[in-house]
Amino acid sequence: QQQVKQSPQSLIVQKGGISIINCAYENTAFDYFPWYQQFPGKGPALLIAIRPDVSEKKEGRFTISFNKSAKQFSLHIMDSQPGDSATYFCAATPGAGSYQLTFGKGTKLSVIP
Amino acid sequence: DADVTQTPRNRITKTGKRIMLECSQTKGHDRMYWYRQDPGLGLRLIYYSFDVKDINKGEISDGYSVSRQAQAKFSLSLESAIPNQTALYFCATSAPGLGGYTFGSGTRLTVV
Repeated sequence: QQQVKQSPQSLIVQKGGISIINCAYENTAFDYFPWYQQFPGKGPALLIAIRPDVSEKKEGRFTISFNKSAKQFSLHIMDSQPGDSATYFCAATPGAGSYQLTFGKGTKLSVIP
Repeated sequence: DADVTQTPRNRITKTGKRIMLECSQTKGHDRMYWYRQDPGLGLRLIYYSFDVKDINKGEISDGYSVSRQAQAKFSLSLESAIPNQTALYFCATSAPGLGGYTFGSGTRLTVV
């Protein structure tokens, strides 16, 4: 049973556009939702994370929107740049220090000039 | 030097061979993990360890074993490699309360 569903699988966005990646979860015990960014040949790196007590968190061009009632969260990348081209994973865990980090299947983002 | 170092970076091995993937970290984190990444399947947890004396199975532990030799070292073994174990393997570390995992750069394993 997949606990975190991520869409789309791949995304092509023009430079300067907005990239949107969506995730939905089922386990109501999840209370920490990080996003990871992975470049080819590298391991995933923590990009931004949110707790369910807030509906939005912004760090630079990256924003997480969180809808607790719908059990959905999304990553928005504003003014997308070619350097943002990477694979993005959403994840969820019952607690920021929990071992049980469940990942979505990933979205490959390509930002074209 | 990288915080989490995995060796080797690439490995081709034959079916039935035993192989060990190694991970060492300088983060000082107690918790270490092994994940497997396959295209379209995301990252799946193989084993995790909270300290030297604590080893736990993850989602897909069959066919794998691990050893936590020290706080900083966590190795993954394939006792008898099979082709469907061809994948990208990642080691990660974390500390309680900080939320983020630190991943190594991965080992690309091909079993022929």
